[in-house]
This record gives sequence, C-alpha cells and structure tokens, in this order.
Amino acid sequence: DTEVTQTPKHLVMGMTNKKSLKCEQHMGHRAMYWYKQKAKKPPELMFVYSYEKLSINESVPSRFSPECPNSSLLNLHLHALQPEDSALYLCASSQEWSNEQFFGPGTRLTVL
Amino acid sequence: AQSVTQLDSQVPVFEEAPVELRCNYSSSVSVYLFWYVQYPNQGLQLLLKYLSGSTLVKGINGFEAEFNKSQTSFHLRKPSVHISDTAEYFCAVSDQGDDKIIFGKGTRLHILP
Repeated sequence: DTEVTQTPKHLVMGMTNKKSLKCEQHMGHRAMYWYKQKAKKPPELMFVYSYEKLSINESVPSRFSPECPNSSLLNLHLHALQPEDSALYLCASSQEWSNEQFFGPGTRLTVL
Repeated sequence: AQSVTQLDSQVPVFEEAPVELRCNYSSSVSVYLFWYVQYPNQGLQLLLKYLSGSTLVKGINGFEAEFNKSQTSFHLRKPSVHISDTAEYFCAVSDQGDDKIIFGKGTRLHILP
C-alpha cells in the first residue's frame, strides 16, 4: 500500500461546529504532516509528527488541534473555525531519511 | 533559512513543444530537491527527486531535471508537452536531516492547442 488516504473529501461546517479530519498511511513512515493550501498558493506547513510525537507546530491557532493516535493515523480536530480557514487541507507522510513526502488527496473545507 | 524561487508564475507553451520550468534555491551544504505536480482539485504528486548521485534525474510522465550545485538550480524539463500536463508545478527543497520541506510559489503550466 503506497498511498495516503484522507477523509472526508469535502466538509462544510459552521463557525460553531466541531469536526475532525482523518489521515491514514500504511507505508511504515515515521513522520506525518498537516498542510493548509489556499487557492493558487503552495502548501503551508501546519504540524509535523515524528514517531507519534508533535515535533513542529508552525504557530497554528488553537482552533486547530492535531492528534496522532498511532503511527498510521493522524487527525486534525477543528473547533470554532473562521471563514478564512476555508482551504484544502493536505496530509503527507515521509520515511526516515529521504524527506520525500507522499501526499493524500486532501479535504476541501468550507467554513460558513 | 532555506528558500526556493520559482520565477515564472505561469508558463504558456504549445502542445508538443519543449518546456523548462525554473527553480533556484538558497545555498546549503547538503540538500534534497523535489518537483511536485498538482492537478486541479487533487493533492500533490511527486514527479522526481534528487537525493544524491547523478545530477540528471528522470521522473514520471517524461519529465527530467538537472541539479546544478554551482548555480543552485534544479530546473524541470520536458521535450514535448501534452494537454494532460496542464497543472501547477511546485519545486521544493529540504536540508538533509530536516523534517521540513520548503515549497516554491508554484508555476502554472498552460498548454496551448
């Protein structure tokens, strides 16, 4: 299995809702990432987990809360989001040494 | 800190013509270099990578890139493009041993019939 899967593909939520994005990989990768991508822009790094521990938090607002329950799963919990948080949220994973990141298809999030 | 420059935000090219997408990075002792492609409404897919060894790297879909250390460049080339190559192309770099990769701003390849 050489892919990263993400659910849901699309999500529409209100500003008072709580929702979660899910990411899964079965390649034995030790690092997993969350990115936010706005239209016509490159992905912006949000969080990095290495060996299931949060290693990088790029000063992301606390309304985004990551969680890594095990080495194959990565969640992003969303609460009290703003309309400007609407974007494509991408998950990625990488091996120990190559830094080559494998990306999932993304979740298209719309905040009303 | 590492940085990546993709000077061309958009490149129009006729179908079956050659194309070069330019990428320059800030100098570092040891780097890994990548080109990713993003088709509309999809995630990023790796086209090719340079980790070490031969400076000419061949990737998927007929693309290749050349690592030039003295010029700190990693330009992407294809000898003959197809309409299906219409996409956003991102150059990316990471320092060896670093968990982060730095993306360029992207180049939109627009194929003209």
